[in-house]
Amino acid sequence: EIVMTQSPATLSVSPGERATLSCRATQGVSTNLAWYQKKPGQAPRLLIYGTSTRATGIPARFSGSGSGTEFTLTISSLQSEDFALYYCQHYNNWPPAFGQGTKVEIK
Amino acid sequence: EVQLVESGGGLVQPGGSLRLSCAASGFAFSNYEMNWVRQAPGKGLEWVSYTSNGGSSTFYADSVKGRFTISRDNAENSLYLQMNSLRAEDTAVYYCARGRGPIATYGDYWGQGTLVTVSS
Repeated sequence: EIVMTQSPATLSVSPGERATLSCRATQGVSTNLAWYQKKPGQAPRLLIYGTSTRATGIPARFSGSGSGTEFTLTISSLQSEDFALYYCQHYNNWPPAFGQGTKVEIK
Repeated sequence: EVQLVESGGGLVQPGGSLRLSCAASGFAFSNYEMNWVRQAPGKGLEWVSYTSNGGSSTFYADSVKGRFTISRDNAENSLYLQMNSLRAEDTAVYYCARGRGPIATYGDYWGQGTLVTVSS
């Protein structure tokens, strides 16, 4: 079973700055990696799938990279609506698994 | 517009049962694999279960295997999760999600969730 670990647990960033979130898998997942944004009381929102493909309607300031066991979500210039929790998820094999999340908070 | 609407959550005693429903609209439901994902209070997301588009293939997280059953009615555009022998640790918001990808377990559309509370 693959375990996903996200770092850091909390990231304090000023609006307009760049945020870099990391996700590591205990085994290779190829590029079968997705990122979600989660706000309290709302459904998860798919941001990125296939490691680097933005989902429909996702702004270009969100980008994903990596392969194998190391992945990164970058938010190039944080907007007020981007302060939220972010989760990575592998879907390479059974069972799929989420990371524990990174909270992006206002500095 | 794709819509997924969960229902059926509530308060149940330990050892009890509950059946969740997810009503789908805005897409050809029978063509898509579906999943249930949950989030316990203050915790992260946890994948719970998957069903193929026809319902013949299902998978479960170890934490719910043997207690939960996923099913679907394509004629009614509905997904279900029968939850038996409920435990306190099953307390969570349960989301249905349309599955995509090679094993159809990343969700491109999600419902708003339904809260299940297991407590005496």
